Amino acid sequence: GAGVSQSPSNKVTEKGKDVELRCDPISGHTALYWYRQSLGQGLEFLIYFQGNSAPDKSGLPSDRFSAERTGGSVSTLTIQRTQQEDSAVYLCASSDRGSYNSPLHFGNGTRLTVT
Amino acid sequence: AQSVAQPEDQVNVAEGNPLTVKCTYSVSGNPYLFWYVQYPNRGLQFLLKYITGDNLVKGSYGFEAEFNKSQTSFHLKKPSALVSDSALYFCAVRDRMDSNYQLIWGAGTKLIIKP
Repeated sequence: GAGVSQSPSNKVTEKGKDVELRCDPISGHTALYWYRQSLGQGLEFLIYFQGNSAPDKSGLPSDRFSAERTGGSVSTLTIQRTQQEDSAVYLCASSDRGSYNSPLHFGNGTRLTVT
Repeated sequence: AQSVAQPEDQVNVAEGNPLTVKCTYSVSGNPYLFWYVQYPNRGLQFLLKYITGDNLVKGSYGFEAEFNKSQTSFHLKKPSALVSDSALYFCAVRDRMDSNYQLIWGAGTKLIIKP
Protein backbone atom coordinates (compact mmCIF):
# COMPACT_ATOMS: atom_id res chain seq x y z
CA GLY A 1 0.00 0.00 0.00
CA ALA A 2 0.92 3.66 -0.16
CA GLY A 3 3.45 4.89 2.34
CA VAL A 4 3.88 8.30 3.89
CA SER A 5 4.03 10.95 1.19
CA GLN A 6 5.73 14.31 1.59
CA SER A 7 5.71 17.25 -0.78
CA PRO A 8 7.57 18.98 -2.16
CA SER A 9 10.63 16.74 -2.15
CA ASN A 10 12.85 19.79 -2.51
CA LYS A 11 12.19 23.43 -1.74
CA VAL A 12 14.50 26.36 -2.28
CA THR A 13 13.35 29.66 -0.84
CA GLU A 14 14.73 33.08 -0.12
CA LYS A 15 15.39 34.20 3.40
CA GLY A 16 12.34 35.86 4.87
CA LYS A 17 9.78 33.97 2.79
CA ASP A 18 7.17 31.62 4.25
CA VAL A 19 7.08 27.93 3.28
CA GLU A 20 4.55 25.15 3.70
CA LEU A 21 5.53 21.50 3.81
CA ARG A 22 2.91 18.81 3.38
CA CYS A 23 2.62 15.31 4.78
CA ASP A 24 0.11 12.64 3.77
CA PRO A 25 0.28 9.86 6.36
CA ILE A 26 -0.65 6.24 5.80
CA SER A 27 -4.42 5.93 5.73
CA GLY A 28 -5.80 5.11 9.15
CA HIS A 29 -2.70 6.13 11.06
CA THR A 30 -3.72 8.25 14.00
CA ALA A 31 -0.28 9.36 15.14
CA LEU A 32 1.80 11.82 13.09
CA TYR A 33 5.24 13.22 13.84
CA TRP A 34 7.40 15.94 12.30
CA TYR A 35 11.17 15.80 12.68
CA ARG A 36 14.03 17.91 11.37
CA GLN A 37 17.33 16.42 10.27
CA SER A 38 20.42 18.40 9.43
CA LEU A 39 22.76 16.91 6.82
CA GLY A 40 23.73 13.39 7.91
CA GLN A 41 22.80 14.13 11.49
CA GLY A 42 20.30 12.88 14.03
CA LEU A 43 16.60 13.62 14.34
CA GLU A 44 15.23 16.69 16.06
CA PHE A 45 11.64 16.25 17.23
CA LEU A 46 9.32 19.10 16.23
CA ILE A 47 5.68 18.20 16.86
CA TYR A 48 3.42 15.18 17.46
CA PHE A 49 -0.28 14.72 16.70
CA GLN A 50 -2.33 11.87 18.14
CA GLY A 51 -5.95 11.57 17.10
CA ASN A 52 -8.05 14.46 18.38
CA SER A 53 -5.76 15.22 21.30
CA ALA A 54 -3.94 18.51 21.60
CA PRO A 55 -0.62 18.23 19.73
CA ASP A 56 2.69 18.05 21.54
CA LYS A 57 4.44 21.18 20.27
CA SER A 58 7.35 21.00 22.67
CA GLY A 59 9.94 20.58 19.92
CA LEU A 60 9.08 23.57 17.78
CA PRO A 61 12.22 25.75 17.81
CA SER A 62 10.52 29.14 17.60
CA ASP A 63 7.15 30.80 17.05
CA ARG A 64 7.97 30.99 13.34
CA PHE A 65 7.15 27.28 13.19
CA SER A 66 3.60 25.96 13.29
CA ALA A 67 1.79 22.84 12.16
CA GLU A 68 -1.73 21.68 11.75
CA ARG A 69 -3.43 18.44 10.94
CA THR A 70 -6.77 18.64 9.20
CA GLY A 71 -9.38 15.95 9.67
CA GLY A 72 -6.90 13.72 11.43
CA SER A 73 -5.09 13.05 8.17
CA VAL A 74 -2.98 15.48 6.13
CA SER A 75 -0.57 17.69 8.02
CA THR A 76 1.10 20.95 7.03
CA LEU A 77 4.23 22.35 8.63
CA THR A 78 4.57 26.09 8.09
CA ILE A 79 7.75 28.07 8.59
CA GLN A 80 7.34 31.83 8.53
CA ARG A 81 10.09 34.31 7.72
CA THR A 82 12.56 31.54 6.94
CA GLN A 83 16.15 31.86 8.08
CA GLN A 84 19.25 30.13 6.74
CA GLU A 85 19.47 27.98 9.86
CA ASP A 86 16.10 26.48 8.90
CA SER A 87 17.82 24.67 6.02
CA ALA A 88 17.44 20.94 6.71
CA VAL A 89 15.46 17.88 5.73
CA TYR A 90 12.02 17.82 7.29
CA LEU A 91 10.74 14.31 7.90
CA CYS A 92 7.19 13.25 8.58
CA ALA A 93 6.26 9.91 10.14
CA SER A 94 3.03 8.20 11.08
CA SER A 95 2.04 5.15 13.10
CA ASP A 96 -1.19 3.25 13.33
CA ARG A 97 -1.88 4.30 16.90
CA GLY A 98 -0.18 6.03 19.73
CA SER A 99 0.84 2.82 21.40
CA TYR A 100 4.25 2.00 22.69
CA ASN A 101 5.17 -0.78 20.31
CA SER A 102 4.00 0.77 17.04
CA PRO A 103 6.91 1.54 14.74
CA LEU A 104 6.99 4.80 12.83
CA HIS A 105 6.68 4.89 9.05
CA PHE A 106 8.65 7.73 7.51
CA GLY A 107 8.25 9.71 4.33
CA ASN A 108 11.28 10.54 2.19
CA GLY A 109 11.39 14.05 3.54
CA THR A 110 11.41 17.59 2.18
CA ARG A 111 14.84 19.11 1.69
CA LEU A 112 14.53 22.80 2.49
CA THR A 113 17.25 25.21 1.38
CA VAL A 114 17.03 28.83 2.48
CA THR A 115 19.25 31.14 0.42
CA ALA B 1 16.60 11.68 32.16
CA GLN B 2 15.78 9.48 29.20
CA SER B 3 18.56 9.10 26.66
CA VAL B 4 19.98 6.91 23.94
CA ALA B 5 23.67 6.68 23.15
CA GLN B 6 25.25 5.41 19.98
CA PRO B 7 28.91 5.68 20.92
CA GLU B 8 30.32 5.28 17.42
CA ASP B 9 29.79 7.94 14.79
CA GLN B 10 31.04 5.54 12.13
CA VAL B 11 31.67 1.81 11.85
CA ASN B 12 33.76 0.31 9.06
CA VAL B 13 33.44 -3.38 8.21
CA ALA B 14 34.73 -5.51 5.36
CA GLU B 15 32.09 -7.24 3.27
CA GLY B 16 31.38 -10.74 4.57
CA ASN B 17 32.50 -9.95 8.11
CA PRO B 18 30.10 -9.73 11.04
CA LEU B 19 28.97 -6.25 12.04
CA THR B 20 27.83 -4.68 15.29
CA VAL B 21 26.33 -1.24 15.78
CA LYS B 22 26.15 -0.31 19.44
CA CYS B 23 23.29 1.28 21.36
CA THR B 24 22.80 1.91 25.06
CA TYR B 25 19.84 3.57 26.71
CA SER B 26 18.62 5.13 29.92
CA VAL B 27 14.93 5.22 30.82
CA SER B 28 12.92 5.33 34.03
CA GLY B 29 10.82 2.29 33.34
CA ASN B 30 11.07 -0.69 31.05
CA PRO B 31 11.96 0.13 27.47
CA TYR B 32 10.57 -0.50 24.06
CA LEU B 33 13.57 -0.48 21.71
CA PHE B 34 13.78 0.09 17.98
CA TRP B 35 16.32 0.15 15.17
CA TYR B 36 15.84 2.13 11.97
CA VAL B 37 18.00 2.43 8.86
CA GLN B 38 18.30 5.44 6.57
CA TYR B 39 19.64 5.07 3.06
CA PRO B 40 20.92 8.19 1.25
CA ASN B 41 18.24 10.74 0.43
CA ARG B 42 15.53 8.57 1.93
CA GLY B 43 13.44 8.56 5.08
CA LEU B 44 14.04 6.12 7.88
CA GLN B 45 12.92 2.50 7.57
CA PHE B 46 11.95 0.34 10.52
CA LEU B 47 14.28 -2.65 11.00
CA LEU B 48 13.25 -4.37 14.22
CA LYS B 49 11.93 -3.83 17.72
CA TYR B 50 12.12 -5.31 21.19
CA ILE B 51 8.93 -5.31 23.20
CA THR B 52 9.17 -8.25 25.58
CA GLY B 53 10.13 -11.90 25.64
CA ASP B 54 13.13 -13.33 23.82
CA ASN B 55 16.12 -11.05 24.17
CA LEU B 56 17.28 -11.80 20.63
CA VAL B 57 15.12 -10.07 18.07
CA LYS B 58 15.29 -10.76 14.35
CA GLY B 59 14.36 -8.14 11.79
CA SER B 60 14.57 -7.14 8.15
CA TYR B 61 17.51 -7.74 5.80
CA GLY B 62 19.09 -10.36 8.07
CA PHE B 63 19.64 -7.99 10.98
CA GLU B 64 19.15 -8.95 14.59
CA ALA B 65 19.56 -7.21 17.91
CA GLU B 66 20.12 -8.41 21.44
CA PHE B 67 18.44 -6.78 24.41
CA ASN B 68 20.64 -6.83 27.51
CA LYS B 69 18.82 -5.45 30.52
CA SER B 70 21.78 -5.49 32.91
CA GLN B 71 23.94 -3.55 30.46
CA THR B 72 21.00 -1.44 29.19
CA SER B 73 22.10 -2.19 25.65
CA PHE B 74 20.43 -3.10 22.38
CA HIS B 75 23.23 -3.70 19.89
CA LEU B 76 22.41 -4.31 16.24
CA LYS B 77 24.17 -7.23 14.58
CA LYS B 78 24.46 -9.08 11.31
CA PRO B 79 26.55 -12.23 10.76
CA SER B 80 27.79 -11.30 7.28
CA ALA B 81 27.81 -7.72 6.04
CA LEU B 82 26.86 -6.66 2.53
CA VAL B 83 28.00 -3.53 0.71
CA SER B 84 24.31 -2.63 0.40
CA ASP B 85 24.08 -2.46 4.22
CA SER B 86 26.03 0.81 4.07
CA ALA B 87 23.68 3.41 5.54
CA LEU B 88 22.91 5.49 8.62
CA TYR B 89 21.49 3.50 11.54
CA PHE B 90 19.42 4.92 14.37
CA CYS B 91 18.51 3.37 17.69
CA ALA B 92 15.40 4.64 19.51
CA VAL B 93 13.66 3.92 22.80
CA ARG B 94 10.24 4.49 24.30
CA ASP B 95 9.82 4.49 28.06
CA ARG B 96 6.76 2.48 29.10
CA MET B 97 6.32 5.00 31.90
CA ASP B 98 6.03 7.91 29.45
CA SER B 99 2.41 8.55 28.56
CA ASN B 100 3.43 10.84 25.70
CA TYR B 101 4.61 7.91 23.57
CA GLN B 102 7.68 9.93 22.62
CA LEU B 103 10.57 8.17 20.96
CA ILE B 104 14.03 9.12 22.16
CA TRP B 105 16.54 8.87 19.32
CA GLY B 106 20.24 8.16 19.23
CA ALA B 107 22.47 10.40 17.12
CA GLY B 108 22.98 7.74 14.47
CA THR B 109 25.88 5.58 13.36
CA LYS B 110 27.18 5.61 9.81
CA LEU B 111 27.93 2.06 8.69
CA ILE B 112 30.37 1.64 5.83
CA ILE B 113 30.82 -1.79 4.31
CA LYS B 114 33.88 -2.07 2.10
CA PRO B 115 34.10 -4.62 -0.73
